[in-house]
Amino acid sequence: EDQVTQSPEALRLQEGESSSLNCSYTVSGLRGLFWYRQDPGKGPEFLFTLYSAGEEKEKERLKATLTKKESFLHITAPKPEDSATYLCAVQFSGGYNKLIFGAGTRLAVHP
Amino acid sequence: GAGVSQTPSNKVTEKGKYVELRCDPISGHTALYWYRQSLGQGPEFLIYFQGTGAADDSGLPNDRFFAVRPEGSVSTLKIQRTERGDSAVYLCASSLKGKTSGSSTDTQYFGPGTRLTVL
Repeated sequence: EDQVTQSPEALRLQEGESSSLNCSYTVSGLRGLFWYRQDPGKGPEFLFTLYSAGEEKEKERLKATLTKKESFLHITAPKPEDSATYLCAVQFSGGYNKLIFGAGTRLAVHP
Repeated sequence: GAGVSQTPSNKVTEKGKYVELRCDPISGHTALYWYRQSLGQGPEFLIYFQGTGAADDSGLPNDRFFAVRPEGSVSTLKIQRTERGDSAVYLCASSLKGKTSGSSTDTQYFGPGTRLTVL
């Protein structure tokens, strides 16, 4: 069964304390892996798409990487405004265009 | 419009009632998606439209759920005989092309959601 698992479920960081969020997936024929940010009461906001193992993308304090089995979202020197839930999703061959999401990682950054 | 819009933002109804949720996609986007998100979970796919037709409705949980997109723009998700278990945030997303080829994908942009509460 196609599955996406994110860890940890929740993460508490001090401002400036770098860390990584993990997304592991078991799908056949990965077409793309997506990272979204979701603030309370809002819809998911697109961050990155990764297509193949070895690919990396960066945006401000965030860097996403992809291997054949998992993706990491690295957060460097986070600030309180980075607090949110980070969602990982995959799109796979044969799945039309639907996204399969993980449950997310709730990140809290304290000053 | 600038982004995907959804109305209403909140809907409270009683068990057994009928509800309609509306989604306005980003102008020019041909693909439209509905997802459902329960508390503490990621969004769960319901249905995908390419233009006016439902290309994939494999996520609709049962025949009480139905969605339309008659003119290829606005979409309405309809839920009959609502149950308490239908309570969730219903998210709509749109993308430019929908159909992709090779290794390329088409980014889905989400609206703010409609929070449905069934009492």
